[in-house]
Amino acid sequence: IAGITQAPTSQILAAGRRMTLRCTQDMRHNAMYWYRQDLGLGLRLIHYSNTAGTTGKGEVPDGYSVSRANTDDFPLTLASAVPSQTSVYFCASGGSHDTDTQYFGPGTRLTVL
Amino acid sequence: GQNIDQPTEMTATEGAIVQINCTYQTSGFNGLFWYQQHAGEAPTFLSYNVLDGLEEKGRFSSFLSRSKGYSYLLLKELQMKDSASYLCAVRDGDYKLSFGAGTTVTVRA
Repeated sequence: IAGITQAPTSQILAAGRRMTLRCTQDMRHNAMYWYRQDLGLGLRLIHYSNTAGTTGKGEVPDGYSVSRANTDDFPLTLASAVPSQTSVYFCASGGSHDTDTQYFGPGTRLTVL
Repeated sequence: GQNIDQPTEMTATEGAIVQINCTYQTSGFNGLFWYQQHAGEAPTFLSYNVLDGLEEKGRFSSFLSRSKGYSYLLLKELQMKDSASYLCAVRDGDYKLSFGAGTTVTVRA
């Protein structure tokens, strides 16, 4: 693995179903993030984790949960998907220094019907 | 919270210069980032400003004025491959980024 990966690439999901989006990074970054990107709204932060074992809520956390059991993995779970959660989801990771940027995974395109 | 504004679309000719403006109102500031995002792809880092002034990196430059809450990204010698969305993002003290909606730049031959 090189960088940050996400799975699945795309998914069509029936409303009410549970879904976990996976994210793995091999850069040993402390911080990880989940964003959703919708047309005209830009990237919005869902949840974040500054270090393994801690998580925090972003701008749009409702309907989503995360866990950070180790440094590399940061899964995002939709407990009961709704159509408004149709979006492109990006995972990102970054270091802890002031000049550190965030590196983004390739994204997961999720459609909830 | 953060309020970040940038134009929705811009069009320019190959070889020309385009300037994308970004204004922000924030409750905390710890740097401003510009990202490039091609259609269907992930955002990639372009530049970072935390002090006032101009940062130059090849054909791309970024400027910051903290007192005015203003930044711009300057793209010189435009190429067709520069057609993309450009995202302005402000980082708060917790290292969280807030993004503008993005500016779609179309480069014409």
